[in-house]
Amino acid sequence: EAQVTQNPRYLITVTGKKLTVTCSQNMNHEYMSWYRQDPGLGLRQIYYSMNVEVTDKGDVPEGYKVSRKEKRNFPLILESPSPNQTSLYFCASRTGSSEQYFGPGTRLTVT
Amino acid sequence: AQSVTQLDSHVSVSEGTPVLLRCNYSSSYSPSLFWYVQHPNKGLQLLLKYTSAATLVKGINGFEAEFKKSETSFHLTKPSAHMSDAAEYFCVVSDPGGSQGNLIFGKGTKLSVKP
Repeated sequence: EAQVTQNPRYLITVTGKKLTVTCSQNMNHEYMSWYRQDPGLGLRQIYYSMNVEVTDKGDVPEGYKVSRKEKRNFPLILESPSPNQTSLYFCASRTGSSEQYFGPGTRLTVT
Repeated sequence: AQSVTQLDSHVSVSEGTPVLLRCNYSSSYSPSLFWYVQHPNKGLQLLLKYTSAATLVKGINGFEAEFKKSETSFHLTKPSAHMSDAAEYFCVVSDPGGSQGNLIFGKGTKLSVKP
């Protein structure tokens, strides 16, 4: 089954404790993205990747890192999480100008 | 620069009445346009997409949208609302070449359906 998976789905952590949210897709898509969703703000892109070893900043990249060492994986790294990064995070992938396929979301709470 | 504006943050309709969710976009190119739906505590699901073929696009669950270039609009409609349509809806624009891999999301319209 074609899908985008994210782990973990829920995470509560404390300020400053490094964490990684994994994302994997099995559709051989070139493009992968991370978004955060906050009430009243819709989805905002954090980082995106056009292919292996090619990444670039989206609209709200501060406080986040990504890597794309393999085509299927695109982890999101928070080196030193802060409470303002409490949000719902979505990973997505697509090919060409196709629609985005979204993962199920990761709800992160930073205390 | 591309942008998308959803004109209503909240729309409330009665079951069985028509639904209209409004979306205007700004793009220097011929855009690809999408509507996504997000049910409570769920991920995002594609409703329909426009990619420069027919201007009237039919999607899932009886929804459709019409691309009007002269009005830079891509409004979502449904003839008769169902309780299960209660959700948040996002209008999305994509740059045509996909060079940035970026989709621009509207802020969302929350649809409530009254019995």
